Amino acid sequence: EVQLVQSGAEVKKPGESLKISCKGFGYSFSTSWIAWVRQMPGKGLEYMGIVYPDDSDAKYSPSFEGHVSISADRSISTAYLQWNSLKASDTAMYYCARLVGSGKRTGRYFFDYWGQGTLITVSS
Amino acid sequence: EIVLTQSPATLSLSPGERATLSCRASESVSSQLAWYQQRPGQAPRLLIYDASNRATGIPARFSGSGSGTDFTLTISSLESEDFAVYYCQQRKNWPIFTFGPGTKVDIK
Repeated sequence: EVQLVQSGAEVKKPGESLKISCKGFGYSFSTSWIAWVRQMPGKGLEYMGIVYPDDSDAKYSPSFEGHVSISADRSISTAYLQWNSLKASDTAMYYCARLVGSGKRTGRYFFDYWGQGTLITVSS
Repeated sequence: EIVLTQSPATLSLSPGERATLSCRASESVSSQLAWYQQRPGQAPRLLIYDASNRATGIPARFSGSGSGTDFTLTISSLESEDFAVYYCQQRKNWPIFTFGPGTKVDIK
């Protein structure tokens, strides 16, 4: 059974750093893109970026480039989303999601499996 | 950047009624549009891809149609578990994906 299991909720202060994780089970993790999606409280879904675990090639939405880092470690089937300096406006639920299709040049665009979400609260 | 607009923002219906949700793209996305359902407190779930193909395990009461800039998600007869928020998503310029703002289907 395909599963994406995310790390637990975090409470952090502004200016702190953070790295959250998304571990894949039940499929070939290395050869499917993993995306990160933000959902601020009471709001909709925002695509942040995507990583190809086999070579850690990461691509970002223009809205998030420079604000977060996306990476992966294929040896442990895990993708990461990282902040160097959190802001209160980063308070949100963050989901990882698997892009349908296998291979780097899949060309597919929709997400068939989602993690359970990681709630990040940033408050002084 | 392609913008997706969903209407209405909220749809108030009773169980058993038909729901018709709209998603409009600011420019043509061909048939490369997906729909997701998000129930309260849950992660999104893929319903429809390529505008009209149901994802694995999705009941037949869900159907999608459209191409180009105008798309529709139809729920033929609402069940209690269908009251949720629905998002459309496109991929005009891979790997830049965008979601629509969502339509909430709530109980009248």
